[in-house]
Amino acid sequence: DGGITQSPKYLFRKEGQNVTLSCEQNLNHDAMYWYRQDPGQGLRLIYYSQIVNDFQKGDIAEGYSVSREKKESFPLTVTSAQKNPTAFYLCASSMRTGTGVTDTQYFGPGTRLTVL
Amino acid sequence: AQRVTQPEKLLSVFKGAPVELKCNYSYSGSPELFWYVQYSRQRLQLLLRHISRESIKGFTADLNKGETSFHLKKPFAQEEDSAMYYCALGISGSARQLTFGSGTQLTVLP
Repeated sequence: DGGITQSPKYLFRKEGQNVTLSCEQNLNHDAMYWYRQDPGQGLRLIYYSQIVNDFQKGDIAEGYSVSREKKESFPLTVTSAQKNPTAFYLCASSMRTGTGVTDTQYFGPGTRLTVL
Repeated sequence: AQRVTQPEKLLSVFKGAPVELKCNYSYSGSPELFWYVQYSRQRLQLLLRHISRESIKGFTADLNKGETSFHLKKPFAQEEDSAMYYCALGISGSARQLTFGSGTQLTVLP
């Protein structure tokens, strides 16, 4: 598996601390996404970015922040304002084909964040 | 707002039996439907999309706009089909986001 990497695999944080999750892709994809995966709730979109230096909030953006300074990188910061941050976080990317149809998303291996 | 419903959290079938994973959606626009699959210790990956109208690993799914459904079917389940399956709805337009259902954990028993 190459393409999309996420680090670290496991992350532990104390309450009140901010933490940044890394997501890198070498697929030359334009769009990148962050999802949160909780048992029984599927995947929920946190933020997404279609081009460098631009990003939009998803359904559950509160308590999170992102940046997109480079095409290949889309880090996610979980801030202390996020009330329930313990979860599995997935990063994805897709090529903007411009065909008018939804592009296939390719997922990273995920980061499991635990707040102690 | 768009929504995807997968009514079964868990589904168990015996090897060789037919399997159907249900997916219903609500969306006022023209939908694009997908099935993503996550095998144990592997990444979430695309299984199939309705636009392609293809069969992948023996699975098929037909978009039924009248019933707003996109059920995933396979006539003869195999043990290697055991995985978490997510139905997803693509929203047409510039954003092209995906809305996921809550997932169905399929277990194929020997």
